Amino acid sequence: DTAVSQTPKYLVTQMGNDKSIKCEQNLGHDTMYWYKQDSKKFLKIMFSYNNKELIINETVPNRFSPKSPDKAHLNLHINSLELGDSAVYFCASSQDGTAWANYGYTFGSGTRLTVV
Amino acid sequence: SQQGEEDPQALSIQEGENATMNCSYKTSINNLQWYRQNSGRGLVHLILIRSNEREKHSGRLRVTLDTSKKSSSLLITASRAADTASYFCATDGMDSNYQLIWGAGTKLIIKP
Repeated sequence: DTAVSQTPKYLVTQMGNDKSIKCEQNLGHDTMYWYKQDSKKFLKIMFSYNNKELIINETVPNRFSPKSPDKAHLNLHINSLELGDSAVYFCASSQDGTAWANYGYTFGSGTRLTVV
Repeated sequence: SQQGEEDPQALSIQEGENATMNCSYKTSINNLQWYRQNSGRGLVHLILIRSNEREKHSGRLRVTLDTSKKSSSLLITASRAADTASYFCATDGMDSNYQLIWGAGTKLIIKP
């Protein structure tokens, strides 16, 4: 009964490869997010989707492409992976997202991406 | 962008002592949230405090908010080894397009 689950947990891949990370939430939340956490623990929003529609698209290389087939899923596809993409990627969901937050976010356990 | 700044960056105390972490932010906010992140895990929401609230409690956690100083503190009383984690504040700013703005976190170590 995991609330926000993302797979895989670890991903080691070579430069230039294309990879995907999947995220699913069973909380009935309307908004889902992708965050990148670097080695210094800084959290940076990448994308936000509300009911399958993109609402936040921060300055992220267009090698990163999110896809939301339905409001319970938000996947992240990364093309032509680079060394600098190595980080932990977190999926999260919230009941809000298009208004002031009344509730906290629920995070997945993260995907540690290592590009070699 | 990083709006919240936690202070200290790292804190090491003995089990049973109280731990206090601070968060400062720059712009007006609607609310402020605290999260905990255990090593290798996702973030867990602890408390949300609104801009019109001054103090909030949850178990051994006490959060204060001073909007005039644009700061918040998280107090953990009677700390336990299991409280060892990184703690982040996040603000829901007036001009942030409803997204959370995160601080860099305080790493708390509880020594047995």
